[in-house]
Amino acid sequence: DGGITQSPKYLFRKEGQNVTLSCEQNLNHDAMYWYRQDPGQGLRLIYYSQIVNDFQKGDIAEGYSVSREKKESFPLTVTSAQKNPTAFYLCASSNQWARTQETQYFGPGTRLLVL
Amino acid sequence: AQKITQTQPGMFVQEKEAVTLDCTYDTSDQSYGLFWYKQPSSGEMIFLIYQGSYDEQNATEGRYSLNFQKARKSANLVISASQLGDSAMYFCAMREGADSNYQLIWGAGTKLIIKP
Repeated sequence: DGGITQSPKYLFRKEGQNVTLSCEQNLNHDAMYWYRQDPGQGLRLIYYSQIVNDFQKGDIAEGYSVSREKKESFPLTVTSAQKNPTAFYLCASSNQWARTQETQYFGPGTRLLVL
Repeated sequence: AQKITQTQPGMFVQEKEAVTLDCTYDTSDQSYGLFWYKQPSSGEMIFLIYQGSYDEQNATEGRYSLNFQKARKSANLVISASQLGDSAMYFCAMREGADSNYQLIWGAGTKLIIKP
């Protein structure tokens, strides 16, 4: 079955610690995205990648970093510089980036909590 | 200014009734796309339906249809014959063109609860 997987489902971070959220897709999509969702709100874009070895900052990139070394993988690192990391993180992918009709498909999400 | 507005924070609907979820948008682009997603309590975002700005007919997907009124800049989701499993958050989103870097802009969502 084609789809997007995210791990872990729940992640706990201590103060000053960097943590990495995994996102893998087997849909052969070029574009991948990371979103943050806070309670009662819509999604905000953290980073996106149009193609392998390329990525751009979204609206709220401060305190986060990403890499795109393989087409199917787009891990997100939440660094200690992110002062309020508690949120629900969703990874998505789409066939291409530059089309208004391009549908994004999502993984199941990771809930990050700060201890 | 809000690009996507969902004015109904929450709705209660009796099972088997039809329900309309409101969405208005703001754009000066001629080419854009409108999307609706469902988010159950599990958290995964599920794509429901898409409407392109140049599409002349309203989009339909099974029990979902999109009431697209371009002049009024509204893209309401209609769910016919609601079921208990339709209880979820529903998000409207818009994708503009190159000037907006093709970003998907999200509304704040509507929480729909279906009553048995």
